[in-house]
Amino acid sequence: AQSVTQLGSHVSVSEGALVLLRCNYSSSVPPYLFWYVQYPNQGLQLLLKYTTGATLVKGINGFEAEFKKSETSFHLTKPSAHMSDAAEYFCAVRPNDYKLSFGAGTTVTVRA
Amino acid sequence: ETGVTQTPRHLVMGMTNKKSLKCEQHLGHNAMYWYKQSAKKPLELMFVYSLEERVENNSVPSRFSPECPNSSHLFLHLHTLQPEDSALYLCASSRGQGEAGVYGYTFGSGTRLTVV
Repeated sequence: AQSVTQLGSHVSVSEGALVLLRCNYSSSVPPYLFWYVQYPNQGLQLLLKYTTGATLVKGINGFEAEFKKSETSFHLTKPSAHMSDAAEYFCAVRPNDYKLSFGAGTTVTVRA
Repeated sequence: ETGVTQTPRHLVMGMTNKKSLKCEQHLGHNAMYWYKQSAKKPLELMFVYSLEERVENNSVPSRFSPECPNSSHLFLHLHTLQPEDSALYLCASSRGQGEAGVYGYTFGSGTRLTVV
C-alpha cells in the first residue's frame, strides 16, 4: 500500500524567505512521486515529478524537490518565496496501478 | 488552458434538483477520474474510468452517477443531493492504466457545487 504524509497543514513564510514543504511516503514498490499546486478556485497543476534517475528534481516556478530513499521523503523547496506562491500544495505517490494517492495538502501563505 | 475543461464552473442546486457536471479532454488520454475536494479534507477519489469502462467506484452514494460515453468525455449526474455534498468536484485525466504513475494527472479547474 502507498500513503503520503504532509507535515504541517499550513506554512507561513516571508517574501524572499525559503519555502520548505515536507512530504513523507510509504510505498511497497519503487515510488513515483509528484508535487501539485492548487491556486484558489482552480484545479491542481503539476509542479514536478520524480520517476527514475536524478534524485534532485527541478520543476516550474523555481521549485525543486529531492527524493531521499533512506528517509522516504520528497520535500519541496524554493529558495525565495514570492507572493504568487501563495497556494495549496499536494504531494502524491504512485500506486501499483493507475491511481495517485494524495497527501492532505499544505497551505502556503506569503507575508509581505 | 489545462487541457481538461470542466463545466459549469459554479453550480447551485436544490436538494430535489437533477444536474450534470461535464468534463472534456482532448489530450488523447485513456483514463479519467472524478475527485471530490471538501474544505479541510483530503482529496477523495470517487470514480475511475479506463478506456470508457468504470474500473473503480469508491463507495460513492448512488445519488452520484458517472457516465463516460467516450474517452474524451466524462459526466457526473447528480440527483437528490445533500448539503454535505457541497464541494469542489475535480475531473482529471491520464495516459491510461499503468501510466498515470509515470506521467501523473492533468486536472480540470473544477466545478464548485453548492447544495441548498
